[in-house]
Amino acid sequence: QKEVEQNSGPLSVPEGAIASLNCTYSDRGSQSFFWYRQYSGKSPELIMSIYSNGDKEDGRFTAQLNKASQYVSLLIRDSQPSDSATYLCAGANSGGYQKVTFGIGTKLQVIP
Amino acid sequence: DAMVIQNPRYQVTQFGKPVTLSCSQTLNHNVMYWYQQKSSQAPKLLFHYYDKDFNNEADTPDNFQSRRPNTSFCFLDIRSPGLGDAAMYLCATSLTGGSYEQYFGPGTRLTVT
Repeated sequence: QKEVEQNSGPLSVPEGAIASLNCTYSDRGSQSFFWYRQYSGKSPELIMSIYSNGDKEDGRFTAQLNKASQYVSLLIRDSQPSDSATYLCAGANSGGYQKVTFGIGTKLQVIP
Repeated sequence: DAMVIQNPRYQVTQFGKPVTLSCSQTLNHNVMYWYQQKSSQAPKLLFHYYDKDFNNEADTPDNFQSRRPNTSFCFLDIRSPGLGDAAMYLCATSLTGGSYEQYFGPGTRLTVT
């Protein structure tokens, strides 16, 4: 079974620190990876996509992908209390239709 | 703004009473998905439409049905809701030939009494 694994947390970081969220995946056919932010009671919001090995930066967010290790991460710099949410990692393979497999999500708490 | 809209945002139904949830999109995406998400769990794919082609996940209960009358609208029918069907139902869309990014609507919170 193709899986995306995340530590459910909670991960607590002080305001202004770097939050590091990690994810591993089992399907070597996965080509595309996504990070979604989900506030309690709300729907997932796409914040980052990454398709190639290496780093991708967007503002305070950096996504990292290592396909050899089947590992994806999200760094949030200068963490703010408003970043407190659950972060879902997801992967999609290139075959067939666009099925995306989601992880359970890591709950991040940014402490003021 | 282009978006995914879900109605109603909150739905309360009685055990066994059929309910229909709706989703519409102005993104002009050709793929539409229905997910079920329970508390502290990953979204679970129920169905997706690839253009007009309907695809049912193998473990989606028969109690769940879906319709897509046109490219902009999609419906989720729960024929006889049970207490275990209480969840957030999420509609998402994506565009083939693109990046596989899925965009979610705000969700419908279903309560079964």
